[in-house]
Amino acid sequence: AQSVAQPEDQVNVAEGNPLTVKCTYSVSGNPYLFWYVQYPNRGLQFLLKYITGDNLVKGSYGFEAEFNKSQTSFHLKKPSALVSDSALYFCAVRDPRSNDYKLSFGAGTTVTVRA
Amino acid sequence: GAGVSQSPSNKVTEKGKDVELRCDPISGHTALYWYRQSLGQGLEFLIYFQGNSAPDKSGLPSDRFSAERTGGSVSTLTIQRTQQEDSAVYLCASSLVREETQYFGPGTRLLVL
Repeated sequence: AQSVAQPEDQVNVAEGNPLTVKCTYSVSGNPYLFWYVQYPNRGLQFLLKYITGDNLVKGSYGFEAEFNKSQTSFHLKKPSALVSDSALYFCAVRDPRSNDYKLSFGAGTTVTVRA
Repeated sequence: GAGVSQSPSNKVTEKGKDVELRCDPISGHTALYWYRQSLGQGLEFLIYFQGNSAPDKSGLPSDRFSAERTGGSVSTLTIQRTQQEDSAVYLCASSLVREETQYFGPGTRLLVL
């Protein structure tokens, strides 16, 4: 079984401050991990993924995420948030040992960046 | 190149009516997925198609839901005898066979009155 938890429903930060969106996962083996962002009335946009290799993954729009196996976490970070980063963020996981490719998503975290 | 497209973007229907939602995946992507996004339920997997293999229907919530994929490309999700609890955004995604990233369409927002 695979699952993801996003412990914070909302994150509020001031523009220019660091942004962190938390994600923890549960997978039997080594996970494939993803972050997506959803703007109002839009579909999900892919931000970044971890499959293997370097634990620090860099993605679109200046976002990065760090895979931490011991803490089973994959937190999304941005050093300096912009108002335009305000959106709904989803973490997702897939167990590569499974025979299907479906993703399990977290409940989502709403990020609000105030000017 | 063109992304995943979905139609209609919005659909309002009366309880008991059937609806069809369409998804056109990225050209060359052999895997296609349907998810449902609703308040209180988050993002739920519905069904998955991979090439000519039998689809994985394990996420379909009831036998009122069905989907097909013609010619390995366009997919249609059909909901029969719609209920108010079917109101949600239905998202389609596609990916390459060995590529793990799923790319999503803009979704169809379904409202059942």
